[in-house]
Amino acid sequence: AQSVTQLGSHVSVSEGALVLLRCNYSSSVPPYLFWYVQYPNQGLQLLLKYTSAATLVKGINGFEAEFKKSETSFHLTKPSAHMSDAAEYFCAVSRSNDYKLSFGAGTTVTVRA
Amino acid sequence: GAGVSQSPSNKVTEKGKDVELRCDPISGHTALYWYRQSLGQGLEFLIYFQGNSAPDKSGLPSDRFSAERTGGSVSTLTIQRTQQEDSAVYLCASSRGSSYNSPLHFGNGTRLTVT
Repeated sequence: AQSVTQLGSHVSVSEGALVLLRCNYSSSVPPYLFWYVQYPNQGLQLLLKYTSAATLVKGINGFEAEFKKSETSFHLTKPSAHMSDAAEYFCAVSRSNDYKLSFGAGTTVTVRA
Repeated sequence: GAGVSQSPSNKVTEKGKDVELRCDPISGHTALYWYRQSLGQGLEFLIYFQGNSAPDKSGLPSDRFSAERTGGSVSTLTIQRTQQEDSAVYLCASSRGSSYNSPLHFGNGTRLTVT
């Protein structure tokens, strides 16, 4: 079975500062990894996904994530936070023979002016 | 194009009543998923449809929960004899194929409150 752990349920950053959201996975086979974002009162939307091509994945809104097999991590970063980045972020994992997407508990990001 | 549509957006019901939640997926998406999001928790998988069949119902919390999909399109999640612990946001998602290859597109959810 695969699972993901998101370290930190809440992250607060200043506008313009680095955003770093941590995600570690456990999987017995090479995983497919995703980051989703959920803005208030909306559904989730895909930020980026890793599917065994390049280990550094670039997504929408200036976010990127790096797959590190040795650390079983897929941390999400953005160099400079914007007020519009305030949302909840979910890391998720699936496998090539599994339709099911397993989500982490989520990290809520607040951005201070 | 139109995204995943869920109705109602909010539902308040009394304990013991039955409720039906509806999901209209993106046209052409064969896979459909129901997840439940409770306060402070992640997304809990409920059920997966491929076409009209549900190969995996393992996430349904109890036999009070059921779901169906007709015409390979609209899906209905039914909760019978609702309990207060059923209060949550119920999210529907659809995709072209298996989740590892095709990203999920989510609706805005139905917020269910059982009083």
